[in-house]
Amino acid sequence: SYVLTQPPSVSVAPGQTARITCGGNNIGSKSVHWYQQKPGQAPVLVVYDDSDRPSGIPERFSGSNSGNTATLTISRVEAGDEADYYCQVWDSSSDRHVVFGGGTKLTVL
Amino acid sequence: QVQLVESGGGLVKPGGSLRLSCAASGFTFSDYYMSWIRQAPGKGLEWVSYISSSGSTIYYADSVKGRFTISRDNAKNSLYLQMNSLRAEDTAVYYCARRVGASEVWYFDYWGQGTLVTVSS
Repeated sequence: SYVLTQPPSVSVAPGQTARITCGGNNIGSKSVHWYQQKPGQAPVLVVYDDSDRPSGIPERFSGSNSGNTATLTISRVEAGDEADYYCQVWDSSSDRHVVFGGGTKLTVL
Repeated sequence: QVQLVESGGGLVKPGGSLRLSCAASGFTFSDYYMSWIRQAPGKGLEWVSYISSSGSTIYYADSVKGRFTISRDNAKNSLYLQMNSLRAEDTAVYYCARRVGASEVWYFDYWGQGTLVTVSS
């Protein structure tokens, strides 16, 4: 089955740029979606189809996907961006279909 | 506005059963695939099941296949998850989520607040 690999944690100072990666075999051929989850809250979609943003999501959130790595980039990081971030793909080649990465804890220093 | 509200969680003994519900509002429920996704305490997200808009297509994760049953009532704008033969490893917050997108580009644009299921003796 398809596996998505994320770093457990990423730390960044306020105002800097955070990059959270999501690795998978030829992930560039798939569409990748990203969710933000703050403690005690439900996940929120922040990027879909590699690089599109839902309405209401700041332009500071962007995504890219190529080769074996997809990346969520958060520019001008704010304290309120501290959260867990999960990548997700649809894998029709397996019975699982929906695959999530293990999640990355973003810490704002 | 789109709202998904789960209910039915609680404490249940191993081997027991529980039925979760998800009440949907703010959109045409019968037009959308729906899904259950869970999160064990301190762990990541795990997809559990999804059901097509009509209810004719259903898939389950291997971890729950044969024990859980997803269903929907479009007349009541409601999604359900019947959970039988519960195990300690089923302990999690269960979210219902709306699936959107296009072929091979499926994702979840709205999630409920979740309901906690605890399986313990």
